[in-house]
Amino acid sequence: AQSVTQLDSHVSVSEGTPVLLRCNYSSSYSPSLFWYVQHPNKGLQLLLKYTSAATLVKGINGFEAEFKKSETSFHLTKPSAHMSDAAEYFCVVSDRGRNAGNMLTFGGGTRLMVKP
Amino acid sequence: NAGVTQTPKFRVLKTGQSMTLLCAQDMNHEYMYWYRQDPGMGLRLIHYSVGEGTTAKGEVPDGYNVSRLKKQNFLLGLESAAPSQTSVYFCASKVQNNQPQHFGDGTRLSIL
Repeated sequence: AQSVTQLDSHVSVSEGTPVLLRCNYSSSYSPSLFWYVQHPNKGLQLLLKYTSAATLVKGINGFEAEFKKSETSFHLTKPSAHMSDAAEYFCVVSDRGRNAGNMLTFGGGTRLMVKP
Repeated sequence: NAGVTQTPKFRVLKTGQSMTLLCAQDMNHEYMYWYRQDPGMGLRLIHYSVGEGTTAKGEVPDGYNVSRLKKQNFLLGLESAAPSQTSVYFCASKVQNNQPQHFGDGTRLSIL
């Protein structure tokens, strides 16, 4: 079984300050992990993915995430927030090859607000 | 680049009516998925397909049916709409195992 917990439902930062969105997962097998972003009235866009290569993963728009197996965490960070980063972010896990259809399990989402 | 296209974008139904949501992808992807998104609950999988002519149940399949007659299309049907099915529906597709899913922009469905 797999599950994802996003530890904060809302995060508020000032423009130009660092962003940290926290995610913990559980998985019976070696997981694939993803972060998606959703802007209002839009679909989900892939930010980055971890699939067992380097544990520090770089994504689009300056975001990165570090896979820590010992802590079962996959936190998303960005050094300096921009107003355009305001959106909802989803941490997602998939047990690689262990379920038919490679189904994803989504966290509940973290809404990021960026203050001027 | 069309990617994943969902039709319609918005719809209002009365309880008991039926309708079909269409998802079309032009990337030759094998896998396709239908999700619903409700506030504070992330996305939940309704049904999915691992190839043309195949379908399978996801986490919340009750009240929905699907068909994948052509590889590029994945249809989601509501036979008798209920207010609990008011939600935003997303379609996604991917090329193969362990690759990320590509999402459409969603269909907002309200059932009165």
